Amino acid sequence: AQRVTQPEKLLSVFKGAPVELKCNYSYSGSPELFWYVQYSRQRLQLLLRHISRESIKGFTADLNKGETSFHLKKPFAQEEDSAMYYCALTGGNQFYFGTGTSLTVIP
Amino acid sequence: GAVVSQHPSWVICKSGTSVKIECRSLDFQATTMFWYRQFPKQSLMLMATSNEGSKATYEQGVEKDKFLINHASLTLSTLTVTSAHPEDSSFYICSATPGGRQDYGYTFGSGTRLTVV
Repeated sequence: AQRVTQPEKLLSVFKGAPVELKCNYSYSGSPELFWYVQYSRQRLQLLLRHISRESIKGFTADLNKGETSFHLKKPFAQEEDSAMYYCALTGGNQFYFGTGTSLTVIP
Repeated sequence: GAVVSQHPSWVICKSGTSVKIECRSLDFQATTMFWYRQFPKQSLMLMATSNEGSKATYEQGVEKDKFLINHASLTLSTLTVTSAHPEDSSFYICSATPGGRQDYGYTFGSGTRLTVV
């Protein structure tokens, strides 16, 4: 069963526009959720995790248990935000990744 | 869609023994696979890049003699933790991208929880 779903494989927004990358999950326990980012030709790196409730590079993500979602948001997209974004969930002994969303910010 | 299977999902071993973890691309060929490690409450850390038919490329600080990587076919890469010690207990994850192209996106295995006692 798909544990983490990122419905959009590709997403394009204009610079300065708000951006939301969707992530829905399916897990019966209490998962821990993450967003990872991979910029072109760079390594995968952690962007944020839901338990820390921080804002990194202007991005925030709120865990909505009712909707089982963990959408990543930024009010004003920047060109340097263009990258591949992965939503991930860990629970028990398993780690689940979404299929990723490629974000392109158009100048 | 592209699927990466990782086996076993969890393993407990005695200190001093070796453990092999397999990573298979089920429906695509992967000339390159990546091995990550995650310590508790930390981000994934890239350990090495596994290249089919050639030696793996290890990240700085990763002991190549301890973490043996073999990528003998286009669909299978193995990570062997040799002479395991309790500090090697961690979560190990592999990933691959179809065609070896980053813009296709990465597919991740579900990980292997290694506990060394």
